[in-house]
Amino acid sequence: DGGITQSPKYLFRKEGQNVTLSCEQNLNHDAMYWYRQDPGQGLRLIYYSQIVNDFQKGDIAEGYSVSREKKESFPLTVTSAQKNPTAFYLCASSLQGEGKPQHFGDGTRLSIL
Amino acid sequence: AQKITQTQPGMFVQEKEAVTLDCTYDTSDPSYGLFWYKQPSSGEMIFLIYQGSYDQQNATEGRYSLNFQKARKSANLVISASQLGDSAMYFCAMREPVNAGNMLTFGGGTRLMVKP
Repeated sequence: DGGITQSPKYLFRKEGQNVTLSCEQNLNHDAMYWYRQDPGQGLRLIYYSQIVNDFQKGDIAEGYSVSREKKESFPLTVTSAQKNPTAFYLCASSLQGEGKPQHFGDGTRLSIL
Repeated sequence: AQKITQTQPGMFVQEKEAVTLDCTYDTSDPSYGLFWYKQPSSGEMIFLIYQGSYDQQNATEGRYSLNFQKARKSANLVISASQLGDSAMYFCAMREPVNAGNMLTFGGGTRLMVKP
């Protein structure tokens, strides 16, 4: 079945450590996105990519980095510069064009040890 | 300023009854799109329904329909014949063409609880 796979489901970070969240899709979508969700709140955009080897900052990119070397993959690194990384992270992908919905993975819950 | 506002943090509905979840938005662009997503307690986001700003008719998808009032800038989600499985968070989101890449801006969500 086509879909978006995020791993791991749960992740723990020590102080000063970088961690990488994986996002893979086999929907042949050009665009991919990373969102952060804090408890009881909506989603906020971290980074997005419309095409391989290109990506743009979203509203809350500070302390995060991404790469898009393959169409299927859009990993997110939470760096030590992100002082409050505890949150639920959601990856999404979509076709380009009006009315095309974003399809989401199951998310990764990141906590600080 | 909030671009997407969902004023109902939480709502109860009796099983088999209809419920309306409110969403108001703010944009100066004539071309935009509105999406509704459902987020169960497990966390995944499930796409429910889409309404384009130029669509002449309100969108419908099974038990979901959109009450789109363009002049009032509202796009309320109506769920008919509520089921226990409808208990979840519901998010309204807007796509504006000024944002490249089909980006969405999300509201704060409404938690719907269906009573048996």
